[in-house]
Amino acid sequence: DAGVIQSPRHEVTEMGQEVTLRCKPISGHDYLFWYRQTMMRGLELLIYFNNNVPIDDSGMPEDRFSAKMPNASFSTLKIQPSEPRDSAVYFCASRQRPTGPDTQYFGPGTRLTVL
Amino acid sequence: AQTVTQSQPEMSVQEAETVTLSCTYDTSESDYYLFWYKQPPSRQMILVIRQEAYKQQNATENRFSVNFQKAAKSFSLKISDSQLGDAAMYFCAYRLWGSNYKLTFGKGTLLTVNP
Repeated sequence: DAGVIQSPRHEVTEMGQEVTLRCKPISGHDYLFWYRQTMMRGLELLIYFNNNVPIDDSGMPEDRFSAKMPNASFSTLKIQPSEPRDSAVYFCASRQRPTGPDTQYFGPGTRLTVL
Repeated sequence: AQTVTQSQPEMSVQEAETVTLSCTYDTSESDYYLFWYKQPPSRQMILVIRQEAYKQQNATENRFSVNFQKAAKSFSLKISDSQLGDAAMYFCAYRLWGSNYKLTFGKGTLLTVNP
């Protein structure tokens, strides 16, 4: 299995621009998670989906952030407009249905820099 | 709200020696899961070990073991026979039992392994 795939691996953009991060979960996994990692706040859950439906978006910082999962093999996290404080590493993770191992498999992350 | 605290920002150990990383958590729940994740320089998060709160026996995975003290809300990770490849950031994480799969992470401990 290829594992969780994220793109791009690095993104540098200017303040005010729209940023779209992409994730392909492991095939057969029903849950998908988006995390943000910063030095100040550590690793935070932004939102997670079950069977393409958002379940908990309480961690989404503000309306500038949005996430979608149009199908079981693809999700996006969009920031519009981006701000320098959004600079962070964004991780996507997936896990199996409840009867499977209680393990989240993380992707390699996207390092976002907003100038 | 649940919180996870890792009081050691950095630790170091000599190769082949044993090191223990500390983690405490705060919760009013009785059923939950605890995890240790490893994040090497590649940034990918890798599950090291997990513990179900209802199990009294401490989990072990090869050279990795935990000391789970439920009453004290403590969950330390012991790495025996440390290897250079163990050098990484280690995160302690908590998840409430049930259908919400949200993970709450500590700030992490950076482990250095000296040859």
